[in-house]
Amino acid sequence: DTGVSQDPRHKITKRGQNVTFRCDPISEHNRLYWYRQTLGQGPEFLTYFQNEAQLEKSRLLSDRFSAERPKGSFSTLEIQRTEQGDSAMYLCASSSDGLVGTFGSGTRLTVV
Amino acid sequence: GIQVEQSPPDLILQEGANSTLRCNFSDSVNNLQWFHQNPWGQLINLFYIPSGTKQNGRLSATTVATERYSLLYISSSQTTDSGVYFCAVGEGGNTPLVFGKGTRLSVIA
Repeated sequence: DTGVSQDPRHKITKRGQNVTFRCDPISEHNRLYWYRQTLGQGPEFLTYFQNEAQLEKSRLLSDRFSAERPKGSFSTLEIQRTEQGDSAMYLCASSSDGLVGTFGSGTRLTVV
Repeated sequence: GIQVEQSPPDLILQEGANSTLRCNFSDSVNNLQWFHQNPWGQLINLFYIPSGTKQNGRLSATTVATERYSLLYISSSQTTDSGVYFCAVGEGGNTPLVFGKGTRLSVIA
């Protein structure tokens, strides 16, 4: 098991473009979480899945943000019409018990 | 929602020194974890400690749930301990973790 994998590690995009990030959790973990971390702050919760069900999405920052986990395995986070304020590190974590999670290395997004 | 405050925000230590990091939280929690974020951004779970005391090598943590605080102790610090230490709390298994702003630790040789 190689842990939680996120792709890409870095993404630079122009304002207004759409971006999609992928997270592959630890295979036996049924819970998957997305967080956003801006400079100098702690991670901020965005959404989470239990298997393929998205159980909490009210914390997604705007309707430009959406996430899927179609088969209960990997997940994608999409940001449409990116803005400079979306520049941040996007972290994925997975867990089997909903308590202790394993985090990926993150995707660093820069919107220019 | 739950508020999490960490102190100090920044800490510089000489290698070999000891330190104590504090986490205060505003409400009862069933989940409290300490994380270390290394300079490359990787978050590593150090302790799951909603109450009581745990030790792992040079690190130990104590949570006094009734008084809503937790302490992380680092003894004989090493340069590899540098990074940001986060406290994160939650109300239970299906509620997300709320992170503090972290303590940035720099250990100098």
